Amino acid sequence: EPEVTQTPSHQVTQMGQEVILRCVPISNHLYFYWYRQILGQKVEFLVSFYNNEISEKSEIFDDQFSVERPDGSNFTLKIRSTKLEDSAMYFCASLQGNTIYFGEGSWLTVV
Amino acid sequence: KQEVTQIPAALSVPEGENLVLNCSFTDSAIYNLQWFRQDPGKGLTSLLLIQSSQREQTSGRLNASLDKSSGRSTLYIAASQPGDSATYLCAVWEVADKLIFGTGTRLQVFP
Repeated sequence: EPEVTQTPSHQVTQMGQEVILRCVPISNHLYFYWYRQILGQKVEFLVSFYNNEISEKSEIFDDQFSVERPDGSNFTLKIRSTKLEDSAMYFCASLQGNTIYFGEGSWLTVV
Repeated sequence: KQEVTQIPAALSVPEGENLVLNCSFTDSAIYNLQWFRQDPGKGLTSLLLIQSSQREQTSGRLNASLDKSSGRSTLYIAASQPGDSATYLCAVWEVADKLIFGTGTRLQVFP
């Protein structure tokens, strides 16, 4: 069974610090995503990425957020200056055809 | 703006019961609809995908139906087992590459 892997599984950071969450999507997939889930709330769409550029982004994905696919395998989400409200589980996903696979998530705690 | 709602928010049943989880969405112009399972602290596992032209999909003890015109989907779980205990998420594909998630139904099946 193919899988999407995410690192770190859990990160605690000080407010105002930069954070990079890493994902290795499934190798032959073309669409990549980041979603987040604040504790007790819905899973929310952040951004989709196709053909090395952002395909769509939500209103949550402001200038503090950026995504990159630096080396053709990793897919990263950067938060430049974290806020307390950025504390959430961040899920990476990749899609091929009709099949989407989610990673196990990176739990970010901002203190 | 698409809103996806799930009822009930939580459900506790004895093992062996058949049960129905409900999902409603406000904009019927969806691409596809998908049901996921989420175990605590884990990622999302796809259960069933219903394409917009389909009325239902079945996998083992699971059956999902879709009525686009009324903005509803149901997930039927037959002969529930303790291992079915999890949160079940309904999500609509708003366009080909963006998922909008529902609020979730937390299911507990006790022996």
